[in-house]
Amino acid sequence: EAQVTQNPRYLITVTGKKLTVTCSQNMNHEYMSWYRQDPGLGLRQIYYSMNVEVTDKGDVPEGYKVSRKEKRNFPLILESPSPNQTSLYFCASSLFGQRFMNTEAFFGQGTRLTVV
Amino acid sequence: KNQVEQSPQSLIILEGKNCTLQCNYTVSPFSNLRWYKQDTGRGPVSLTIMTFSENTKSNGRYTATLDADTKQSSLHITASQLSDSASYICVVSDMNTGFQKLVFGTGTRLLVSP
Repeated sequence: EAQVTQNPRYLITVTGKKLTVTCSQNMNHEYMSWYRQDPGLGLRQIYYSMNVEVTDKGDVPEGYKVSRKEKRNFPLILESPSPNQTSLYFCASSLFGQRFMNTEAFFGQGTRLTVV
Repeated sequence: KNQVEQSPQSLIILEGKNCTLQCNYTVSPFSNLRWYKQDTGRGPVSLTIMTFSENTKSNGRYTATLDADTKQSSLHITASQLSDSASYICVVSDMNTGFQKLVFGTGTRLLVSP
């Protein structure tokens, strides 16, 4: 089954304690992306990756890091989490390139992070 | 300012009734417009994808329309079911970056009441 898998689904942590949220896809997609979703706001892009070792900042990258060492995995790293990073996070993947622009993007099931 | 605006913010309808959700956007140029369904606390799931040259697309009881001239789209749900209770998100693909970047609306929260 084609899917994007995020772990963990729920996480409560304390300010300043480094954490990683994993994301894995089994569709051989080049493009992967992280979003955060907050009440009253649309999903906002944090970072994206167009292929292995190619990453770039989205609209709200401050306080986050990513890496793309393998095509299937795109972890999101919070080096020193703060309460304003409490949010619902989604990873997404899709094919990349001009001829794939109108193809579907698949989203993970979400990670609800609380930083106290 | 959000480039994708949706209305209403929330809506309650009786089971079996029809409803229409609206989306206005200013993103230009764009390659496609998508409607997603998002159950509470879950990831968005694609309902329809329309390119700028299409003006309607159906997926079962869901029908999306697109008017690229007025930059408006609508999602019509026919014979609503309790399972239709969810948020519906309009998403436009922004071409200004040279590749596909998704711009999300804030969604319409639909509650279907028995």
